[in-house]
Amino acid sequence: DAGVIQSPRHEVTEMGQEVTLRCKPISGHNSLFWYRQTMMRGLELLIYFNNNVPIDDSGMPEDRFSAKMPNASFSTLKIQPSEPRDSAVYFCATNRGGLGYTFGSGTRLTVV
Amino acid sequence: GIQVEQSPPDLILQEGANSTLRCNFSDSVNNLQWFHQNPWGQLINLFYIPSGTKQNGRLSATTVATERYSLLYISSSQTTDSGVYFCAVRTGGTSYGKLTFGQGTILTVHP
Repeated sequence: DAGVIQSPRHEVTEMGQEVTLRCKPISGHNSLFWYRQTMMRGLELLIYFNNNVPIDDSGMPEDRFSAKMPNASFSTLKIQPSEPRDSAVYFCATNRGGLGYTFGSGTRLTVV
Repeated sequence: GIQVEQSPPDLILQEGANSTLRCNFSDSVNNLQWFHQNPWGQLINLFYIPSGTKQNGRLSATTVATERYSLLYISSSQTTDSGVYFCAVRTGGTSYGKLTFGQGTILTVHP
């Protein structure tokens, strides 16, 4: 089991550019979560999916953020256009009903 | 929403010392996990413990769900235990749903 795989590990981009973060969940895990970690706000949930369907996107900060889960083995989080305040570590986590959550290694995003 | 409070916010130990970290939560939960975020930023699951007691080597955890708190014990601490320890909980009637995190305890273990 390779765990939750996120890419890229690091991303540096200029303000105004589009950024796409990727996540491959653990096989058989039917819930997927995108979290953002900053010093000021800690770990906060952006959106989560269950069986590929978005359940709660109330944490998505604004329309510049969007997430998709086209199938059970892939999800993306897109920021367009990116801004310096989006700089953070973005984590993907997955869960199989009733059990613990497993986090990926995160993507450290820096917007300059 | 549910409130998750961790204490202490910071803890400095000498190698070999023991410590207890606490997590209080404001509502009934159906999932509670302890995570260790290492200096490289990885979130490592330590325990899935919605109730009861578990042990894994030098670490153990106890959750008293009826009193809405959980404790993480670290014995004979090592420098590699340094990092941030998070408690996270899930509420609601489903087996999925978001984890709400506490603000963490920053542990520093000196040699």
